[in-house]
Amino acid sequence: GAGVSQSPSNKVTEKGKDVELRCDPISGHTALYWYRQSLGQGLEFLIYFQGNSAPDKSGLPSDRFSAERTGGSVSTLTIQRTQQEDSAVYLCASSPPGVPSYNEQFFGPGTRLTVL
Amino acid sequence: GNSVTQMEGPVTLSEEAFLTINCTYTATGYPSLFWYVQYPGEGLQLLLKATKADDKGSNKGFEATYRKETTSFHLEKGSVQVSDSAVYFCALTGGAGTALIFGKGTTLSVSS
Repeated sequence: GAGVSQSPSNKVTEKGKDVELRCDPISGHTALYWYRQSLGQGLEFLIYFQGNSAPDKSGLPSDRFSAERTGGSVSTLTIQRTQQEDSAVYLCASSPPGVPSYNEQFFGPGTRLTVL
Repeated sequence: GNSVTQMEGPVTLSEEAFLTINCTYTATGYPSLFWYVQYPGEGLQLLLKATKADDKGSNKGFEATYRKETTSFHLEKGSVQVSDSAVYFCALTGGAGTALIFGKGTTLSVSS
């Protein structure tokens, strides 16, 4: 079946512009996660959704970052007034409901963001 | 807080060599442990997992055993192939609905 999809695959923007990154999780997956992968910081958690709610936003690096999820499906990560340090690959992952003690997450291909 | 430490790379091996990538963790409670792999130009894929002490995860010839006494989850493969060249990430989670915490990643390069 279809995996997690993300769009765009690549985004180049100018410093100060806003960007929106989209994630389509696997159908039926209730949990959705955003991570950021950068050379200096490795893989960092940003935000977790269960349904349309975000019980854990602890990884968002600043108030320029926000995310929403609608219909328990698609999620959008928005970065306002982008800075060069926002350049990274943004990864989305989803998990099915009823997962037992472990938490297997299925990752999308990522969006490579470059801020000039 | 929870954290994962894995050996620095890159690791360069010849085909059919034995592979070990060390991973240790710090966590409260009883985390689940994972190895993810990222092949060139591709997304992160789950390689194997273990959910409790002494569990052994295995897949594609790779193995890792959850060692609570040494807080380790070392990845091993008896005979690597060129196609195993990738970046390997050790990770843990405290359970459903919690974020994965990743190590920095280890780049493996296998030559024929």
